Amino acid sequence: SQELEQSPQSLIVQEGKNLTINCTSSKTLYGLYWYKQKYGEGLIFLMMLQKGGEEKSHEKITAKLDEKKQQSSLHITASQPSHAGIYLCGAGLSGEGGSEKLVFGKGTKLTVNP
Amino acid sequence: KAGVTQTPRYLIKTRGQQVTLSCSPISGHRSVSWYQQTPGQGLQFLFEYFSETQRNKGNFPGRFSGRQFSNSRSEMNVSTLELGDSALYLCASSWVAGHEKLFFGSGTQLSVL
Repeated sequence: SQELEQSPQSLIVQEGKNLTINCTSSKTLYGLYWYKQKYGEGLIFLMMLQKGGEEKSHEKITAKLDEKKQQSSLHITASQPSHAGIYLCGAGLSGEGGSEKLVFGKGTKLTVNP
Repeated sequence: KAGVTQTPRYLIKTRGQQVTLSCSPISGHRSVSWYQQTPGQGLQFLFEYFSETQRNKGNFPGRFSGRQFSNSRSEMNVSTLELGDSALYLCASSWVAGHEKLFFGSGTQLSVL
């Protein structure tokens, strides 16, 4: 099963509308990352959340981390066509020998119609 | 400052062949991670190298291997290609190992026919 579940899988909104993307973990979250990807391209780092209750904002994008719920949300205010893309959450999970690996959700595809 | 460079950008191979993908990290970055991305499985961790040592690996068969050179450049190799290996292969670099802010390349789109 997927260690990080994102919802919704896809989202179509009208320009100017607000939207929220959720990321839920099957394990305790000690930190969470949000990335954005243009189709067929690499990922671009958006934000990193490390503490329960932490909230960060960059321009019109706000991300929150709820450790108790093992969940994070990404909120976009007054969406613009430039916000379109695939949003992925990632989290560090224990790997072999006590080391950590970064795993990702399957992503949420956002379309913003002008 | 140059970003993460992956070559080639596109690759077409046939089943049974092998392929080598290259990744040049951002100057000064010593950690390189590889990911496979497919529509069905999403982004899956392959392995991570730090200072020429494999630090962690995902759940992929032994056909998938990698290495890192002293200049931090990394290569990954897939032997005996299967149709299911068709994917976007992404490389990411960071200053330190572990889950840190990653800088991704544009990827190599591999198609296996």
